[in-house]
Amino acid sequence: KAGVTQTPRYLIKTRGQQVTLSCSPISGHRSVSWYQQTPGQGLQFLFEYFSETQRNKGNFPGRFSGRQFSNSRSEMNVSTLELGDSALYLCASSPRPRDSYNEQFFGPGTRLTVL
Amino acid sequence: GQQLNQSPQSMFIQEGEDVSMNCTSSSIFNTWLWYKQDPGEGPVLLIALYKAGELTSNGRLTAQFGITRKDSFLNISASIPSDVGIYFCAGQLSGGGSNYKLTFGKGTLLTVNP
Repeated sequence: KAGVTQTPRYLIKTRGQQVTLSCSPISGHRSVSWYQQTPGQGLQFLFEYFSETQRNKGNFPGRFSGRQFSNSRSEMNVSTLELGDSALYLCASSPRPRDSYNEQFFGPGTRLTVL
Repeated sequence: GQQLNQSPQSMFIQEGEDVSMNCTSSSIFNTWLWYKQDPGEGPVLLIALYKAGELTSNGRLTAQFGITRKDSFLNISASIPSDVGIYFCAGQLSGGGSNYKLTFGKGTLLTVNP
């Protein structure tokens, strides 16, 4: 079974631009979560989508948004990029929705650099 | 956001030695997960724990879900050079409902000297 795929793997943008990242979950998985990873803050939860609906949201500004399509693929968008948005953005998929069951499987990430 | 306290931050050991790392939290979790991350890659799930007191092994790795539900331990026996990487613990705060997000520790950087 193919794993979680993320595109692109690397991205360089300038301040003020916007960016869209894509994630395809493991086949059959219906939940997609997004995380930001930086050396200083570690892994921080951005949001989770299930059945095309945002179910959870972390403490990030409104410039960070996402969506999920009917085939469970997900995109996240960051508008008006800031230098501090440079990070590894990780997508994780999970079978859901079983209570107390949350094995999340991560993709390789998209390395975003904002200049 | 909330962080788990993971220790140690880094370890430098000789090949063949055993390794222990742990995570503690002020909050109760009902799921603990341990991941390993190699440079430039996403975290890979090593072990998942679902019950307080549960002890689970995966090859040379053994992890335990603390009785208080506020801590977890990961042990690696007979370390080898490919064990090098960053190990993360992650907890899920509650089951059911909509709260499925994971809270991560800051990681333990493991270096193994051949």
